Amino acid sequence: QKEVEQNSGPLSVPEGAIASLNCTYSDRGSQSFFWYRQYSGKSPELIMFIYSNGDKEDGRFTAQLNKASQYVSLLIRDSQPSDSATYLCAVKTDSNYQLIWGAGTKLIIKP
Amino acid sequence: EAGVTQFPSHSVIEKGQTVTLRCDPISGHDNLYWYRRVMGKEIKFLLHFVKESKQDESGMPNNRFLAERTGGTYSTLKVQPAELEDSGVYFCASSPSGYEAFFGQGTRLTVV
Repeated sequence: QKEVEQNSGPLSVPEGAIASLNCTYSDRGSQSFFWYRQYSGKSPELIMFIYSNGDKEDGRFTAQLNKASQYVSLLIRDSQPSDSATYLCAVKTDSNYQLIWGAGTKLIIKP
Repeated sequence: EAGVTQFPSHSVIEKGQTVTLRCDPISGHDNLYWYRRVMGKEIKFLLHFVKESKQDESGMPNNRFLAERTGGTYSTLKVQPAELEDSGVYFCASSPSGYEAFFGQGTRLTVV
């Protein structure tokens, strides 16, 4: 079992709709959860992070965390074609500073 | 403010040769990380510096890889001798707190 799992996609969403990206993790000691966006050939770019159960909103983005279910998600409202990218979920335990990564979900926003 | 810079952006070397990758973190960031993404796989942690000290090098694949961060500023990652399986994209990231990490553009290494 992979430590951080994501559906590779592609996930196709019409412009203006809500895109929902999901991530599960295996280590119950995980404390911090990060969503990165990566355009093709570019570096990962931090979108947001969350460490408490519940929702965290930042603009069109909402991260949701459920530690009991070991599940973290990212919602993108009013999806735009510029949101088309690979979205990477990463997890960190507080015992060290390394990020454990999922393989990423490719998101395609169709005009 | 300049971001994390890495060079070269691409490197093609023959098996058995040596390659040195360089990373300049964001000024003032004590934490510096190296990660690698092999084709088709997820990004994997290699090591973590705090200033000039290696905090965690548990992800280094073998002793052909040597990372340094003299003076606590820029870092180098040397692969000697390079093998075919070392091909991939090497990312450097820096962080002021060890929490949020800001990534460089990566070095695409191809060993032929």
